[in-house]
Amino acid sequence: AQSVTQPDIHITVSEGASLELRCNYSYGATPYLFWYVQSPGQGLQLLLKYFSGDTLVQGIKGFEAEFKRSQSSFNLRKPSVHWSDAAEYFCAFCQGGSNYKLTFGKGTLLTVNP
Amino acid sequence: DTGVSQNPRHKITKRGQNVTFRCDPISEHNRLYWYRQTLGQGPEFLTYFQNEAQLEKSRLLSDRFSAERPKGSFSTLEIQRTEQGDSAMYLCASSLVGQGTGELFFGEGSRLTVL
Repeated sequence: AQSVTQPDIHITVSEGASLELRCNYSYGATPYLFWYVQSPGQGLQLLLKYFSGDTLVQGIKGFEAEFKRSQSSFNLRKPSVHWSDAAEYFCAFCQGGSNYKLTFGKGTLLTVNP
Repeated sequence: DTGVSQNPRHKITKRGQNVTFRCDPISEHNRLYWYRQTLGQGPEFLTYFQNEAQLEKSRLLSDRFSAERPKGSFSTLEIQRTEQGDSAMYLCASSLVGQGTGELFFGEGSRLTVL
């Protein structure tokens, strides 16, 4: 079955530390991959996306993600976390083409300590 | 461009009542999606429209749920005879397929609490 797994339910990091959020997908071909962030009381905001080409993609707010086909992974990274990054992060994928129906992971809640 | 707008933002209702949510997509977006998000879960797909045509419905969308998108503009999601299990955040998203990248832009959601 097509699915997205985010193994970490909750991660706590100190402000200024590096961050990596894990995402694994299960799909027979190369999907379109996305990372969204959801802050309390706000809608989902797209951080970055991967469709094809360069496997290291840059997004907004200093985030980047790397697509690794061999590991079926699309991990999100940030070199130095800010307190404002505290939020819930969702990895998602779709089949691509004209089908943009997203399948989401369960999310990873990020807490940032001062 | 004011983004995707959803109303009401919060709705508290008693079990058995009907509720309706409205979504106004980004203008000229031809595709509109409804998702449901419960506590501790990621959003789950419910249904989507291409213009006014409803192209797909999830098995999550029981016969108590109905969605419409008259004239291919705003959309409504109605839940009849609400149950406590319907308590969730209902998210709407829109996209432009065919000319843009097709990526989804989400509204802030409508939170439903069924007592």
